Amino acid sequence: DAGVIQSPRHEVTEMGQEVTLRCKPISGHNSLFWYRQTMMRGLELLIYFNNNVPIDDSGMPEDRFSAKMPNASFSTLKIQPSEPRDSAVYFCASGGLAGGRVGTGELFFGEGSRLTVL
Amino acid sequence: DAKTTQPPSMDCAEGRAANLPCNHSTISGNEYVYWYRQIHSQGPQYIIHGLKNNETNEMASLIITEDRKSSTLILPHATLRDTAVYYCIVRPYNFNKFYFGSGTKLNVKP
Repeated sequence: DAGVIQSPRHEVTEMGQEVTLRCKPISGHNSLFWYRQTMMRGLELLIYFNNNVPIDDSGMPEDRFSAKMPNASFSTLKIQPSEPRDSAVYFCASGGLAGGRVGTGELFFGEGSRLTVL
Repeated sequence: DAKTTQPPSMDCAEGRAANLPCNHSTISGNEYVYWYRQIHSQGPQYIIHGLKNNETNEMASLIITEDRKSSTLILPHATLRDTAVYYCIVRPYNFNKFYFGSGTKLNVKP
């Protein structure tokens, strides 16, 4: 099992540019989470999906951020336009849902995408 | 709204048991205690979870007090590779969101 795969691993861009981060969850998992980690704020939950449907996006900082999950094997997190304060490591995680609704509690995280906005 | 309290850092000698405490005095009856760790800049890794009984797996043991207001994660024989930030999280089993606090930085020293 390849685990959760994220790309790119590193991205350096200039303020105002569009950034797209990608995630391939573990096959068979039906919940997917996007987190952001900074030194100041730690690990923040941005959004999560159940069965490809966004359930809670209350952690998305502002309208510049959007996330999609067009199918069970792919999700994107987009920032448009990017700003220097968006610099962080973005993690994607997937997990199984017991009984179709309840999370088993074991999330599998990817290696993260380190974003630097100049 | 912090639901858990952990010491910011701890030291442990290699080969010794590492005992990481967590206070969760406001835990509800349907909330489980989960432990994750994050090694350097990798993604967090699940360790163990429990409700009220002590739990053990190949990585660690989880001891939950009878009143469930605190717990201890035990790494029986710490190695240098166990140096990481350890997160204690309380979460209802039927609630899919995980919120990570600031955790405990465990330094395992030779």
